[in-house]
Amino acid sequence: GAVVSQHPSRVICKSGTSVKIECRSLDFQATTMFWYRQFPKKSLMLMATSNEGSKATYEQGVEKDKFLINHASLTLSTLTVTSAHPEDSSFYICSARLPSGAGDTQYFGPGTRLTVL
Amino acid sequence: LAKTTQPISMDSYEGQEVNITCSHNNIATNDYITWYQQFPSQGPRFIIQGYKTKVTNEGASLFIPADRKSSTLSLPRVSLSDTAVYYCLVGSSGSARQLTFGSGTQLTVLP
Repeated sequence: GAVVSQHPSRVICKSGTSVKIECRSLDFQATTMFWYRQFPKKSLMLMATSNEGSKATYEQGVEKDKFLINHASLTLSTLTVTSAHPEDSSFYICSARLPSGAGDTQYFGPGTRLTVL
Repeated sequence: LAKTTQPISMDSYEGQEVNITCSHNNIATNDYITWYQQFPSQGPRFIIQGYKTKVTNEGASLFIPADRKSSTLSLPRVSLSDTAVYYCLVGSSGSARQLTFGSGTQLTVLP
């Protein structure tokens, strides 16, 4: 149980285009999902918290107009990188918070490798 | 927000027991301690979670002292496939803040 999927797993795009990444919780409903980015040999950096039915909460320094997040259902959150540039190339990982229990347990997707040419 | 400190790296040999300690001096009363494993180019995988004393599941144990200011992930008889980065995080579902990843511990298992 507690499986999270991401699609696509890998995407290569030209500079200036927009890319949408989907994150789905397959066997549980998640009112809260999180988006991270990770650079090589570095730890995960939280970008934003996605709440079902409301606006996402962005971390300091993350441009909300560039990284659009939509959490329209209890099993799906999307991250759209708008007008992507080479510096946006990174490994993007989503997670979904398991609603049961008191511990903050997040289950992570497999990640999406974005390469902007 | 509880900050965690872990060793940057550890080396071990196949078949040995590995203990990775994490310090979290300002852990809150409601916080749980959770450990994740991450392989290159993959999302982190949940290993184990605990609040106090000892928790054991298939493949790992988590030891938490009474003051909860640290925790130790124990991996018995590691194999080459256990080579990964291990992250210790603290938090609670009732917290307004979310989990923050520290630098993690790169465990390298040698033959």
